[in-house]
Amino acid sequence: ETGVTQSPTHLIKTRGQQVTLRCSSQSGHNTVSWYQQALGQGPQFIFQYYREEENGRGNFPPRFSGLQFPNYSSELNVNALELDDSALYLCASSLGRGAGGVDEQYFGPGTRLTVT
Amino acid sequence: GEDVEQSLFLSVREGDSSVINCTYTDSSSTYLYWYKQEPGAGLQLLTYIFSNMDMKQDQRLTVLLNKKDKHLSLRIADTQTGDSAIYFCAERVEDSNYQLIWGAGTKLIIKP
Repeated sequence: ETGVTQSPTHLIKTRGQQVTLRCSSQSGHNTVSWYQQALGQGPQFIFQYYREEENGRGNFPPRFSGLQFPNYSSELNVNALELDDSALYLCASSLGRGAGGVDEQYFGPGTRLTVT
Repeated sequence: GEDVEQSLFLSVREGDSSVINCTYTDSSSTYLYWYKQEPGAGLQLLTYIFSNMDMKQDQRLTVLLNKKDKHLSLRIADTQTGDSAIYFCAERVEDSNYQLIWGAGTKLIIKP
């Protein structure tokens, strides 16, 4: 069973640029959640995708957008990067609505984004 | 609003019990979780408790939930050096489309 993978591992961008982060979900999982984790803080929920549709969104501006593909892998896109976007971006896959209960989320190792 | 709070650090001696505490504000929480984050590794679910339970035990881990005080704790018995990590408390709020609200994490430091 393959776990959750994310690419790239690290990324350096400059202010105003755009970035795409990728996530491959665990086999059998149809739900992907994205989180932003700033240094020394807990993860902040960005949004969740369930079967290719957005299924909830946290308090992030529209320049944070996403996609989920038919194979349930996912992308997070951030436009017009700001310095405060520097963080670890985590992707988690789960059974979501199909879990019927605890909905354990399996996390990838994250992408460290630095905006200069 | 929703808020989850934890103390930032806990230092214990190897072999002692560690107790990590968490408070939350949303009374409509359905599940409460404890995750572990080690350097360079992803977040790993350690254990969880459903909101209608007050205790759950799983090997060295004991979770206590006080719904009245909105207080959650994680006890690790016989703490080992491998338990060094950051521990996050998270809650899932009813009708939230499975969103998790997270605390800032407690760094557990093990003294020899």
